[in-house]
Amino acid sequence: SAVISQKPSRDICQRGTSLTIQCQVDSQVTMMFWYRQQPGQSLTLIATANQGSEATYESGFVIDKFPISRPNLTFSTLTVSNMSPEDSSIYLCSVRDRVADGYTFGSGTRLTVV
Amino acid sequence: QKEVEQNSGPLSVPEGAIASLNCTYSDRVSQSFFWYRQYSGKSPELIMSIYSNGDKEDGRFTAQLNKASQYVSLLIRDSQPSDSATYLCAAPPSGGYQKVTFGTGTKLQVIP
Repeated sequence: SAVISQKPSRDICQRGTSLTIQCQVDSQVTMMFWYRQQPGQSLTLIATANQGSEATYESGFVIDKFPISRPNLTFSTLTVSNMSPEDSSIYLCSVRDRVADGYTFGSGTRLTVV
Repeated sequence: QKEVEQNSGPLSVPEGAIASLNCTYSDRVSQSFFWYRQYSGKSPELIMSIYSNGDKEDGRFTAQLNKASQYVSLLIRDSQPSDSATYLCAAPPSGGYQKVTFGTGTKLQVIP
């Protein structure tokens, strides 16, 4: 199955700053998905990242706050911009994994904004 | 109505018992369903997928799908304390798009 390397694993950031999260997949994938998981909650899809086109954002999420890059078929970044304590969450990237017959996740980035 | 709904639990079962986790979905067009296990502080890991009505077994896990009732379940036989985790049901919305929607998850506690 696909292996996803996600960095950083955790970070503590000052409000008003930005953090960029990276995901590297060991195989080429058409779509990469970015999720947020707030404490004690389930996963909420932020956006879908396609190579060569702009990301598609879900309701409640905007590009200015969560810009995404997808320079090639194995890599994507999510930036959390102008952070506030409400952005404290776990951020996860995911890909459709046809070998595993499901969706595989990165190890997650635990973000704390102070 | 949420697209995928689960009872948040916690569901407590004694060690060795069968744990039954349930999920309902609102989109009649959904064709595939996934069960994930998430340990505290870890990312979700895929247990199994199911696409057809009926049962699908994998080791101690059995997924059951009833499209007429829009219901999917996961049975865990011979539950172990190591099965204690949150179990997430997921389904892609209609339209052929590849994203999936996750339920809120059911927390399972297996009591030794």
